[in-house]
Amino acid sequence: EAGVTQFPSHSVIEKGQTVTLRCDPISGHDNLYWYRRVMGKEIKFLLHFVKESKQDESGMPNNRFLAERTGGTYSTLKVQPAELEDSGVYFCASSQDLWGEQYFGPGTRLTVT
Amino acid sequence: RKEVEQDPGPFNVPEGATVAFNCTYSNSASQSFFWYRQDCRKEPKLLMSVYSSGNEDGRFTAQLNRASQYISLLIRDSKLSDSATYLCVVNNPMAGGYNKLIFGAGTRLAVHP
Repeated sequence: EAGVTQFPSHSVIEKGQTVTLRCDPISGHDNLYWYRRVMGKEIKFLLHFVKESKQDESGMPNNRFLAERTGGTYSTLKVQPAELEDSGVYFCASSQDLWGEQYFGPGTRLTVT
Repeated sequence: RKEVEQDPGPFNVPEGATVAFNCTYSNSASQSFFWYRQDCRKEPKLLMSVYSSGNEDGRFTAQLNRASQYISLLIRDSKLSDSATYLCVVNNPMAGGYNKLIFGAGTRLAVHP
């Protein structure tokens, strides 16, 4: 069974540019989560989709971040415009059930210069 | 105060040693508790769930004390391959079926020959 995949693995952009991260969850997993680890800090929750609906977006830093999950399959996380403090590793995770194990993708390392 | 606090690392131990990690959490409503392992520049992977009765998986033993809001992980007979960062993780259940994971900052373990 294929795991959670994320694209790209690395992205280096300049401040003010736009970047879109993609996550493909494990097939059949309705729950999809985005997390972020900023250097030196713990991994923090960003938001949670159940199918195509945003269940909880309390962790989204500000309105420069937009997440979508059209059709309830893959998800995108767009940062526009990017700021220096957005640098970090963005992880996606999915789970079959709400209380089930969350499987993490390899992450996208975003560097904003 | 952080929601999940862990022992500061790194722990440097010889092969064969026994090492213990501790963690405290602040949300008394948390219902699920986990230890994740994260190798350098990799995604977190579930090591084990933690139950009130305590549970063991080979060389790994996890304990939970709900009254003290304290979680521990004991690793016996350390192997070189145990070198990694160990993340204490609890859930934050909310009304409406939200279930996000709250991560500690992690404790780094280095096992040397």
